[in-house]
Formats: sequence, C-alpha cells, structure tokens
Amino acid sequence: DTAVSQTPKYLVTQMGNDKSIKCEQNLGHDTMYWYKQDSKKFLKIMFSYNNKELIINETVPNRFSPKSPDKAHLNLHINSLELGDSAVYFCASSPRSSGLLAKNIQYFGAGTRLSVL
Amino acid sequence: AQKITQTQPGMFVQEKEAVTLDCTYDTSDQSYGLFWYKQPSSGEMIFLIYQGSYDEQNATEGRYSLNFQKARKSANLVISASQLGDSAMYFCANILTGGGNKLTFGTGTQLKVEL
Repeated sequence: DTAVSQTPKYLVTQMGNDKSIKCEQNLGHDTMYWYKQDSKKFLKIMFSYNNKELIINETVPNRFSPKSPDKAHLNLHINSLELGDSAVYFCASSPRSSGLLAKNIQYFGAGTRLSVL
Repeated sequence: AQKITQTQPGMFVQEKEAVTLDCTYDTSDQSYGLFWYKQPSSGEMIFLIYQGSYDEQNATEGRYSLNFQKARKSANLVISASQLGDSAMYFCANILTGGGNKLTFGTGTQLKVEL
C-alpha cells in the first residue's frame, strides 16, 4: 500500500477553472503538508496541517484553499486557475508538527503535475 | 530567512565510484535538522538521510553518508559505489527546531551515473 497517495497524478485544465487535488496518508501521522515545485524544480512549502488544524500558511494566493476533513486527508482546492499555477504539487506527512526531528521525517507523495493552458 | 545552497547544478560520476554532492546552509539557530531527498525522473521525492545539529557522528544509511561540518555550515551527501539507479535530482533541505517542521530546500543537484 502506498503510504502517501495523491490523486490525480496529472491534471490538465484551462485558465479560470477550479480544481482539487486529493491527498491521503495511511501512516497514522498527525501532520500533513503541501509543497509546490516550480518549473525550475524549486520546492517551497505552501501549507501544513496538524490534526486538522492549519499551522503553516506561507504567502500563497487565497485562491488556494487547503481542507483537512480528518488527519489522514489533506486536499488542495484551487480557484480561478492561472498559467503561473502550473507546477508539481507534493503532499507530505510526518508523525507530528514539532519535536525530535529525527523521529519526524516528512514522507512525500508521488506528486500531481498541474498544467494550466 | 534561512537559505540552503547547492552549488553544483549537475554532476557526473562513473558507476562504482563515490560522489560528493555539496550543500551549505545559512542559519544562526543552534538547533536544526538537515535532510537529503532524491527525486528520480519518475518524479517522486524519496527521503535518504537525516542529520541533527547536535549529532556528534555523521549520519549513514547504507551507501549514503552525510559529511557534516558544523563550523563550516556544510552537510554534503556522499554516495559510495554509485549505481545507474542513483541518477536523479538530489535536494538538500533543513528544518529549524520550533519552525513548524517547515522544510527549506536547496535548488538541487542533477546527478548522472555513467557506465
């Protein structure tokens, strides 16, 4: 079983549309994250949730709205998609949001490649 | 803001040789963690190795070792006995303790292993 799974793997859509990416982890972790990898492969955190509570919210347009229905799921909804939103979006999870770092490794999903036309 | 620097955009290594991928970081915090991730062409991000700022010994995980030089603020990844499957993008990252477990990544090094 995949530990952190994202759907869909590929998403091609038109500018202005609204889309969602889903993420689920079966590791029993409390904390989940969304990262964005741009066309130059640079990775940057967007959001982090700990047990359904938002704890990190980087400077991200409010067109991006994360939703965590339970601690095993963290979805990302994007409104009014723009060309610049084209990227690979990674979901990750870790046992908790703080504490001993050696015990708190982040494990990533396979990524969702979003292309906005 | 903290910064992770990977100065080698691309590296080549012969199969079975060892290779060192460079990483320097810039933080004034005393407590932090350093990580390396591998991203093969298939796109997933794979955790390789972790080093804590207070760890006295360099971390090792199989063929991976981390050459941690705290005074120089460097955390180089050493891959021994390179294999063709090691060809991938490698990212160095760090987390500040108390920073909400936020990974800050470097720009990555593309490694190609040749026969």
